[in-house]
Amino acid sequence: NFMLTQPHSVSESPGKTVTISCTRSSGSIASNYVQWYQQRPGSSPTTVIYEDNQRPSGVPDRFSGSIDSSSNSASLTISGLKTEDEADYYCQSYDSSNWVFGGGTKLTVL
Amino acid sequence: EVQLVESGGGLVQPGGSLRLSCAASGFTFSSYSMNWVRQAPGKGLEWVSYISSSSSTIYYADSVKGRFTISRDNAKNSLYLQMNSLRDEDTAVYYCARVQNRYYGMDVWGQGTTVTVSS
Repeated sequence: NFMLTQPHSVSESPGKTVTISCTRSSGSIASNYVQWYQQRPGSSPTTVIYEDNQRPSGVPDRFSGSIDSSSNSASLTISGLKTEDEADYYCQSYDSSNWVFGGGTKLTVL
Repeated sequence: EVQLVESGGGLVQPGGSLRLSCAASGFTFSSYSMNWVRQAPGKGLEWVSYISSSSSTIYYADSVKGRFTISRDNAKNSLYLQMNSLRDEDTAVYYCARVQNRYYGMDVWGQGTTVTVSS
């Protein structure tokens, strides 16, 4: 099984842009889709990106996703940061009958 | 409205058993695979188990294999997780989530039910 590694925390000011990385330990990042979930305190996770770079309806276009085969990683970019974006973000992928989550990144908007 | 509602959590002693339920509504439950995902206090998300729409395919995380059993009743629009031989480390909020097999992600999550294993 592979692991997905995320930074423990990131912080940025309102209006700025932040990027959260998710690095796959083995196997190609491109071999299975990557999803990104947002979890606000006390709430269930919700999807902000699926299939590497697709946004569900209702998710603002300030959220974007990408993958980079050279670094074997996925990234979630949030532009025009708002205080409401403060949350934990988890990347997730799949391989060989296992769903794998990254450890989560706490985004602070200060 | 598409909705998943978990129930059945509670306090149980180590070695005990508990059965979680997840009631689905607002969509054709029998057409979707489902996952259980858990989150220990202050920790990240951990996948627990998967069941296909017809129950023909079932997977478990190594951490629960042999102790937990996933099942579903499509006539009742319900998903279950039977948890036996519970350990302290099984303490978590347990979420049921709808799986999109096209990309193996989860697009609908329940509100979670809390399981506490403690003597």
